[in-house]
Amino acid sequence: NAGVTQTPKFQVLKTGQSMTLQCAQDMNHNSMYWYRQDPGMGLRLIYYSASEGTTDKGEVPNGYNVSRLNKREFSLRLESAAPSQTSVYFCASSDPGTGVAQPQHFGDGTRLSIL
Amino acid sequence: QKEVEQDPGPLSVPEGAIVSLNCTYSNSAFQYFMWYRQYSRKGPELLMYTYSSGNKEDGRFTAQVDKSSKYISLFIRDSQPSDSATYLCAMSAVDDYKLSFGAGTTVTVRA
Repeated sequence: NAGVTQTPKFQVLKTGQSMTLQCAQDMNHNSMYWYRQDPGMGLRLIYYSASEGTTDKGEVPNGYNVSRLNKREFSLRLESAAPSQTSVYFCASSDPGTGVAQPQHFGDGTRLSIL
Repeated sequence: QKEVEQDPGPLSVPEGAIVSLNCTYSNSAFQYFMWYRQYSRKGPELLMYTYSSGNKEDGRFTAQVDKSSKYISLFIRDSQPSDSATYLCAMSAVDDYKLSFGAGTTVTVRA
C-alpha cells in the first residue's frame, strides 16, 4: 500500500521557470492538501481540495495554482518560480467523517530549490 | 500571534529519559488533537490522536489534553534513539478538516 506518492522528490529550478508537483493517493480519500514546510514555520497550508471538483486557498496561496485531476490526483503548479518558494512541499490526504476530524496522511515531500 | 504555539526545542535527552513536549493554542473551537512524528527527509506520520480533554496512552507514548488551559502534551517514556525525530502537534475544530500545526520540536535521544 503506497499511501501518498509525490513526484519528483528533488528539483532545482531557476527563477522564473515553471513546474508542476504531482501527488497521488491510493486510499480512496476525498480530501487532499498541499503544504510547504520551512524551518521554524511548521506546515503551512497552500491549497486544499475538500472533494473531487473543488479547490480552495489555504494560508499561503500566492504564487501557486492547483488542479484536482480526479479523486486520486492533486497537482501543485508554480507558474513563475521565485527564490522565496524554496521549500519542502508535502501533499496529504484524508477522509473526513461527518463532524469528526480525521488524521491526514502525508507523502515524503518534494524538496524544491529555486536559484 | 500564531494559533498554535509549540516549544521550539531542540531537545536532547539520554536514552531512557522521559521526553515531554507541549503545545498551547488560542482557538477554543479546537476539539481534535494530534501528534505527528517526522523523521529526517520523511513526511509526518500520525503518532497519537485524541478528542477533547483527557489522556490517551499507547505503549510508551501518552497524550494529554487540557482544554481549560488550551494546553496539550506528549510524553515519551523510556526514550530510545529511534525516537529521535521532529514532533509536531496538530489540531482542528469540529466539521473542519483543515489542521493547524505547531512549528515542531526536534528531539534527539542520545545512546
